[in-house]
Amino acid sequence: EAQVTQNPRYLITVTGKKLTVTCSQNMNHEYMSWYRQDPGLGLRQIYYSMNVEVTDKGDVPEGYKVSRKEKRNFPLILESPSPNQTSLYFCASRKDRVDTEAFFGQGTRLTVV
Amino acid sequence: GQQLNQSPQSMFIQEGEDVSMNCTSSSIFNTWLWYKQDPGEGPVLLIALYKAGELTSNGRLTAQFGITRKDSFLNISASIPSDVGIYFCAGQLNTGNQFYFGTGTSLTVIP
Repeated sequence: EAQVTQNPRYLITVTGKKLTVTCSQNMNHEYMSWYRQDPGLGLRQIYYSMNVEVTDKGDVPEGYKVSRKEKRNFPLILESPSPNQTSLYFCASRKDRVDTEAFFGQGTRLTVV
Repeated sequence: GQQLNQSPQSMFIQEGEDVSMNCTSSSIFNTWLWYKQDPGEGPVLLIALYKAGELTSNGRLTAQFGITRKDSFLNISASIPSDVGIYFCAGQLNTGNQFYFGTGTSLTVIP
């Protein structure tokens, strides 16, 4: 089954404790991205990657890092999480930068206390 | 980033009613998309629009690409309980660029 898998689904952590949210897709997609969803703000892009070893900032990249060492994986790293990063995070992939259909993971609800 | 405003923010309707929602932008977009997010899930693509004035249907859903290219509309006819969720519009300035998402319209259908 074609899917985007994020882990964990839920995470509560403390300020400053480094964490990684993993994302994996099994569709051989080139393009992957991370979004955060906040009430009243919709989905905002954090980082995106057009292919292996190619990553770029989205609209809200501060406080986040990503890497794309393999095509299927695109982890999101929070080196020093802060309470304003409490949010619902989605990983998405699409075939390439021209394709319009993005497939989303089920989301990771992160709470930073 | 681009700001896409969706209206209304939330809707409570009776089963069987028709629904209309829209999305507006200050920029001209090349592509408009409509996604639906079921509770506890990620968004799923419903309809993609590529040309100004284009009208596209997917079952009971119909979406239109506004002729000004700064807006898009989604209609749902004869709503049913499984239509519940958040509907997002998304726009793309040029082919290959990122998609900007709207603020979302939360739909509740009362049986």
